[in-house]
Amino acid sequence: EVQLLESGGGLVQPGGSLRLSCAASGFTFSSHAMSWVRQAPGKGLEWVSAISGSGGTTYYADSVKGRFTISRDNSKNTLYLQMNSLKADDTAVYYCANGLLGSLGAFDIWGQGTMVTVSA
Amino acid sequence: QSALTQPPSASGSPGQSVTISCTGTSSDIGGYNYVSWYQQHPGKAPKLMIYEVTKRPSGVPDRFSGSKSGNTASLTVSGLQAEDEADYYCSSYAGSKKFGVFGGGTKLTVL
Repeated sequence: EVQLLESGGGLVQPGGSLRLSCAASGFTFSSHAMSWVRQAPGKGLEWVSAISGSGGTTYYADSVKGRFTISRDNSKNTLYLQMNSLKADDTAVYYCANGLLGSLGAFDIWGQGTMVTVSA
Repeated sequence: QSALTQPPSASGSPGQSVTISCTGTSSDIGGYNYVSWYQQHPGKAPKLMIYEVTKRPSGVPDRFSGSKSGNTASLTVSGLQAEDEADYYCSSYAGSKKFGVFGGGTKLTVL
């Protein structure tokens, strides 16, 4: 079964750090670009970051550039998002999403999401 | 403010058709044929409904269709059913510097 399972969310103080993980199964992980997409409470979707299948190319939304780092370990079929200098505006459900093979910007598999709350 | 503009709400009666628009710029929707649409029910993860403007993933009913003209993309849901009531988000590839952008979402109500 194709599956993405996020972990690592929680409550963190402003200025703090958190590392999210996304374990993939059921497909050839290294062949797919992966992304993180977030959704603030009651708000819409916001693309956060993407990484190529090899990990050699990364992309970031302006809102997180310089603070977040996306990475992957293809030997462990796992995607990561290191989040530093967290702000209240970063409070959201964070989804990892699989990039549809052969396409750009389409995500055909989503995890269940992990909640990140930034608050004092 | 979202990069792509969608109406906040849309509605229709069972069996009717409804179209949701999504307006961007020449740097995203107008520049690439990589527009996607997602359905999201409350408390659930988004589901891909349309990709590359008009294509449907396996398992998505053919009642869902997509189109694009210039900088505006559209999602049409025909033969509305109660289970179609959900939030719908458009998305577009926006080049190597921005990668992906989403619309603000449209809440579809089946009357």
